[in-house]
Amino acid sequence: LAKTTQPISMDSYEGQEVNITCSHNNIATNDYITWYQQFPSQGPRFIIQGYKTKVTNEVASLFIPADRKSSTLSLPRVSLSDTAVYYCLVGSHSGYSTLTFGKGTMLLVSP
Amino acid sequence: GAGVSQSPSNKVTEKGKDVELRCDPISGHTALYWYRQSLGQGLEFLIYFQGNSAPDKSGLPSDRFSAERTGGSVSTLTIQRTQQEDSAVYLCASSLGGGSKEQYFGPGTRLTVT
Repeated sequence: LAKTTQPISMDSYEGQEVNITCSHNNIATNDYITWYQQFPSQGPRFIIQGYKTKVTNEVASLFIPADRKSSTLSLPRVSLSDTAVYYCLVGSHSGYSTLTFGKGTMLLVSP
Repeated sequence: GAGVSQSPSNKVTEKGKDVELRCDPISGHTALYWYRQSLGQGLEFLIYFQGNSAPDKSGLPSDRFSAERTGGSVSTLTIQRTQQEDSAVYLCASSLGGGSKEQYFGPGTRLTVT
């Protein structure tokens, strides 16, 4: 399984754009990059998934360079409610593979 | 529709007792996962079911831990002879397929071993 490395914590202020970068140097050809968000006392929630280039949904954007050895989750104009732990995961869609959640990045948004 | 449900939401047990944790996945989801999360830590993978079989049970920390899934639906995680280090939140997730398919998580069971 591809290992991921992401910052332990990040701080931001309301209204700012936040970019969280994840490194996955040994990503495999069939691997997708997935981000989850976890609030305290809740299970993680899927945010976004991509394979290459850029993916955007109503919550975030995911930027993946051509070599796919890293990815950046971009949260536009964060609010206090975006304070959470964000996990970067890498894995294939194979029905017999599993994902590994690391410790994630704790994002703290202040007023 | 209904999401993933888990029961009980909280469980306090004495060291040495057995506990059973239940997970009801989203209807039609073939894949089911168990994780545990200690305070302030990331998620630790325990076991993965595809249907009723478990292709990956590599995360079970010891032979005191076991899990089963019946009818391709409900799953039970059993911890025998509980120890204080078993105290954690146990999370269940389900998805339409394995791998990196989107996982939907339940609210978790908070287990406290005294």
